[in-house]
Amino acid sequence: GAGVSQSPRYKVAKRGQDVALRCDPISGHVSLFWYQQALGQGPEFLTYFQNEAQLDKSGLPSDRFFAERPEGSVSTLKIQRTQQEDSAVYLCASSLVQGAGNTIYFGEGSWLTVV
Amino acid sequence: GQNIDQPTEMTATEGAIVQINCTYQTSGFNGLFWYQQHAGEAPTFLSYNVLDGLEEKGRFSSFLSRSKGYSYLLLKELQMKDSASYLCASFNNQGGKLIFGQGTELSVKP
Repeated sequence: GAGVSQSPRYKVAKRGQDVALRCDPISGHVSLFWYQQALGQGPEFLTYFQNEAQLDKSGLPSDRFFAERPEGSVSTLKIQRTQQEDSAVYLCASSLVQGAGNTIYFGEGSWLTVV
Repeated sequence: GQNIDQPTEMTATEGAIVQINCTYQTSGFNGLFWYQQHAGEAPTFLSYNVLDGLEEKGRFSSFLSRSKGYSYLLLKELQMKDSASYLCASFNNQGGKLIFGQGTELSVKP
């Protein structure tokens, strides 16, 4: 389809393992967001890109979290040395341009379980 | 600081009307979004309010009062498929990002 696509949909990682989560935004969308959603909670902001520039990474919980969008389209969220508290759904979202009134569209998320 | 409050859960009857309230205290506020999220699925856009007043879209309506920091989502003629989590989100103009509340889990009973 033409929506935001994320992979893998489900990932089980052993504690200490590195993981990489991929996001394909809607074609032509300039803005890309990563959110973390714990069970029963609302999404929590992690980071934001405008094209390839990472304009806001204030929500990344630690230096084990790293995101990139080198060519301004596909983005990868990498988590190093995963810990149990990293278990959550990682949502990617995109919008056509930055600014109020521009609908932000979400992918179905990557469900990460750290054991 | 950024603070968005909405009830954790609500229950309503099929065919009835339900109102889900949201209060917010956010800096750089520039609009209020409502999203619907079924379990295991992506949040899907329902409505956006930037001016005071009521926006109606079919069975769903959303209201905003900027002076009171208050919004509500009104769902009419409830259907079983409306059982979902409803997320209130403030658009922050100082970062171009959405700040979400914890979500309201709505259960529609026959």
